[in-house]
Amino acid sequence: DAGVIQSPRHEVTEMGQEVTLRCKPISGHNSLFWYRQTMMRGLELLIYFNNNVPIDDSGMPEDRFSAKMPNASFSTLKIQPSEPRDSAVYFCASSHDIDLEAFFGQGTRLTVV
Amino acid sequence: AQSVTQLGSHVSVSEGALVLLRCNYSSSVPPYLFWYVQYPNQGLQLLLKYTSAATLVKGINGFEAEFKKSETSFHLTKPSAHMSDAAEYFCAVTAKAGTALIFGKGTTLSVSS
Repeated sequence: DAGVIQSPRHEVTEMGQEVTLRCKPISGHNSLFWYRQTMMRGLELLIYFNNNVPIDDSGMPEDRFSAKMPNASFSTLKIQPSEPRDSAVYFCASSHDIDLEAFFGQGTRLTVV
Repeated sequence: AQSVTQLGSHVSVSEGALVLLRCNYSSSVPPYLFWYVQYPNQGLQLLLKYTSAATLVKGINGFEAEFKKSETSFHLTKPSAHMSDAAEYFCAVTAKAGTALIFGKGTTLSVSS
């Protein structure tokens, strides 16, 4: 398996623009997680899905952030409008109930100028 | 709720020396515990996991960790450090399969020759 695939790897955008981050989980995994990593706050859980249903979105910073999982093989994290403080590395991870551990993608480095 | 605390944001050792990275957890139910490693500009990779079987867990690259319930600890050790071990290490906890891992702030390991 190719692992968790995230795109794009790098994104530079201007403040106020819409940003969409994409994730393809490992085939057969039924949980998907979005994390944000910054120097100041470390790894923060934003939202996670189980069987395509959002279970916990309490980590989503504010209404500017939204996430969807239309099917078992695809998820998006959208920021609209983006702000400089959203600059971070965003990770997608997936897991299966049997394995417990999460498998991470390579991340998307977002820079908002 | 679960949480982990990693003691020491930065640890420096000499090549060949013992590596000890500290992690204490808090959990209202029996926890599942993990150590991940992150190399620069990459995602997180699982080193080892504790899932209530043996309390001494062996992982990849010569690392191991011991679950001590009485001390609520899950410290990571390696008898002899190698230059290639230089990276950031994260301890994580979850309560059950299908739920999100909660990560500590991370410990950066530096290895000098």
